[in-house]
Amino acid sequence: KQEVTQIPAALSVPEGENLVLNCSFTDSAIYNLQWFRQDPGKGLTSLLLIQSSQREQTSGRLNASLDKSSGRSTLYIAASQPGDSATYLCAVNAGNMLTFGGGTRLMVKP
Amino acid sequence: DAGITQSPRHKVTETGTPVTLRCHQTENHRYMYWYRQDPGHGLRLIHYSYGVKDTDKGEVSDGYSVSRSKTEDFLLTLESATSSQTSVYFCAISKSQENTEAFFGQGTRLTVV
Repeated sequence: KQEVTQIPAALSVPEGENLVLNCSFTDSAIYNLQWFRQDPGKGLTSLLLIQSSQREQTSGRLNASLDKSSGRSTLYIAASQPGDSATYLCAVNAGNMLTFGGGTRLMVKP
Repeated sequence: DAGITQSPRHKVTETGTPVTLRCHQTENHRYMYWYRQDPGHGLRLIHYSYGVKDTDKGEVSDGYSVSRSKTEDFLLTLESATSSQTSVYFCAISKSQENTEAFFGQGTRLTVV
């Protein structure tokens, strides 16, 4: 059974810092990995999708990498802003469902 | 934002009553999913659909049924609600299972008292 772990569970940083969120998964037989953002009481917003054949994807200040063989992905956020405060979730797609990690709750302080 | 509408957004119901949650999409995506989100358990798949009248179970399907009579609508029914089904329910859509992004609705907060 696929298991997805996100470390750290919570993170508090001052504005302007670059930061890395980690995601690990146990079964490397995946089609893709997706990073989401969730604000309190809201739905999930898709940030980046990395196909299993790709090594990284970039969108603005966000960069996600994927090392399928080692079962790891990282989400890099450059020059963090208070508006980045949210919970970040990674999810792996192995076919008929997404398996989610528990999320990293990020707070960026002004 | 992907065109996904969940209704109702909030509901309080009594134990033992039937409840139906609706997910409506305007993207014409083939796949639709129902997830529940609970503290300590994260998001877990309840049921999914791969076409009109084609559905399958997820990892936490007991106590739930689904129906998809039109491409755009996916209904989740709790036949007899229990307190353990108090949760936030999310609908998601995707074009295919393997290579495309999944998009999520805003969620339905269900409380069973």
